[in-house]
Amino acid sequence: EDQVTQSPEALRLQEGESSSLNCSYTVSGLRGLFWYRQDPGKGPEFLFTLYSAGEEKEKERLKATLTKKESFLHITAPKPEDSATYLCAVQAYSGYALNFGKGTSLLVTP
Amino acid sequence: DVKVTQSSRYLVKRTGEKVFLECVQDMDHENMFWYRQDPGLGLRLIYFSYDVKMKEKGDIPEGYSVSREKKERFSLILESASTNQTSMYLCASSSGGRSNQPQHFGDGTRLSIL
Repeated sequence: EDQVTQSPEALRLQEGESSSLNCSYTVSGLRGLFWYRQDPGKGPEFLFTLYSAGEEKEKERLKATLTKKESFLHITAPKPEDSATYLCAVQAYSGYALNFGKGTSLLVTP
Repeated sequence: DVKVTQSSRYLVKRTGEKVFLECVQDMDHENMFWYRQDPGLGLRLIYFSYDVKMKEKGDIPEGYSVSREKKERFSLILESASTNQTSMYLCASSSGGRSNQPQHFGDGTRLSIL
């Protein structure tokens, strides 16, 4: 059975304090690993797709990396507007649907 | 930009009522999905559809049904609402069958069953 575990559950950072969020996964054949951002009261907003180990993607202060067992979302010099819940999801070769982790709630204070 | 529109942001219904949640996407996507999101449980898949009139059960289909009569519209039906169906409901769509294209989400319907 596919499993996705995100850590930590919650993270509080000072503005400018870089850190990483972790997504550990088990899946029977990875078609893609997805990162989303979710603001309170809104639906998840797509950030990145990673397809194979060693791949990296960047967008502004965010960089996502992938190994065969986990993915990291690195946040460099975060700003208060980066505060959100970050969700990781995997899609297996065999299926259409995404299997989501429970998310990491990030708070960046000025 | 992909737009997924859910008909209501907030909805309050009574136990036993039949409830319809509507979702429309404007990108001609083949796949559409319904999830519910609850604190501590994350997003869980209720049903999905990979083509018009086609549907597949997700992880938690009990108490729900779906309808997809047109490609752009996917409806979630609570046959007889119960209090344990109080939740945030999220609709998503994606292109390309089993491809690894990302799912795009609507802003959700927060449903309360009294």
